[in-house]
Amino acid sequence: DAKTTQPNSMESNEEEPVHLPCNHSTISGTDYIHWYRQLPSQGPEYVIHGLTSNVNNRMASLAIAEDRKSSTLILHRATLRDAAVYYCILRGNNNDMRFGAGTRLTVKP
Amino acid sequence: ETGVTQTPRHLVMGMTNKKSLKCEQHLGHNAMYWYKQSAKKPLELMFVYNFKEQTENNSVPSRFSPECPNSSHLFLHLHTLQPEDSALYLCASSQRQGKLQNTEAFFGQGTRLTVV
Repeated sequence: DAKTTQPNSMESNEEEPVHLPCNHSTISGTDYIHWYRQLPSQGPEYVIHGLTSNVNNRMASLAIAEDRKSSTLILHRATLRDAAVYYCILRGNNNDMRFGAGTRLTVKP
Repeated sequence: ETGVTQTPRHLVMGMTNKKSLKCEQHLGHNAMYWYKQSAKKPLELMFVYNFKEQTENNSVPSRFSPECPNSSHLFLHLHTLQPEDSALYLCASSQRQGKLQNTEAFFGQGTRLTVV
């Protein structure tokens, strides 16, 4: 399975943008890039996903490199409620969905 | 409310007990998953079901036995567990469109299991 690499932790100030990076150098042509986040004491929550083009939704934006070997999740204005572990995963033709350690985002007031 | 409901939310069981975890999804999805999340560890994929058929068994010990009677329900039967099996068990569902994985997955709140 194609794997992803993320920083263990990041910090942000409230109301500032946050850029969470993810490397996936072994991505295949049919792999979708998905992002989830897990708030304390909750199950993971879908954030956004994409294949080749950048994507925007009400929660975040996803910027995908032209060679698709990396992507960046962008939170435009971090709030305290955005403090969570953010996971970048690849979903391909098989139906598994494997998570790595993710990035723990701390938002400072 | 994600549309995926897990019961019970908390469970304490002895090592000789038999119990079951239940997951129900109201989203019309055709794929369901069981995950284990131990303290300060990443989620571990345990089982995957597509259209009620098990397609993934991630080397899970036989003391964990999944059952998928229909596309809306998923069970995890537990027997003779060990204290190290204490963890948060999460269920998820998604819609598999052929071979494409371009749809999001929805997770339940999990069952916090403690084995004593």
